[in-house]
Amino acid sequence: GAGVSQSPSNKVTEKGKDVELRCDPISGHTALYWYRQSLGQGLEFLIYFQGNSAPDKSGLPSDRFSAERTGGSVSTLTIQRTQQEDSAVYLCASSLLGVSGVSTDTQYFGPGTRLTVL
Amino acid sequence: GIQVEQSPPDLILQEGANSTLRCNFSDSVNNLQWFHQNPWGQLINLFYIPSGTKQNGRLSATTVATERYSLLYISSSQTTDSGVYFCAAGRRGSQGNLIFGKGTKLSVKP
Repeated sequence: GAGVSQSPSNKVTEKGKDVELRCDPISGHTALYWYRQSLGQGLEFLIYFQGNSAPDKSGLPSDRFSAERTGGSVSTLTIQRTQQEDSAVYLCASSLLGVSGVSTDTQYFGPGTRLTVL
Repeated sequence: GIQVEQSPPDLILQEGANSTLRCNFSDSVNNLQWFHQNPWGQLINLFYIPSGTKQNGRLSATTVATERYSLLYISSSQTTDSGVYFCAAGRRGSQGNLIFGKGTKLSVKP
């Protein structure tokens, strides 16, 4: 597609359940990022993938959070045993960072997944 | 880590007015981006500007890396400019990890 897509757009779950959020980056983009946006914390970095390198997981808030990127394209963010404080909008972005000849890291964001944990 | 501070936190303008939004960052950066989040929550990249000046229509941005600040100028504002403007910075070695400021909420009145 033309832009970054995310699914589902909205997810309501019960405390303690696992959820999976999906991100399809812009075709050809080598770098993929997950952020989350909540009222109390603003926009915060979660995890970053680039090519075949090991992901930068430094922003994941707990070991209940994990992410994978298959085939260098689609990514899934998994939250296990969800808690109410996990309620937020989860945003995915992609960029051309690392592509030969590209010196910018302009990040393009998807529409987000609004997660509500009851 | 890098601290990113934006000012003002809120701004109300009459349509047609000009404005300047400021972003201060606490450390050397090699990645500085401005975003607009529209009322529907979509984040749109406005500028990738780790240094220098860029212009795009009614918007322009300047980053003075040595003094650790960036400015976003909006001229002849329109109601569609309303939303939240975010500055985000990253440092060499931190890969793509952007640290976001808390944003400036802009309301343009007709």
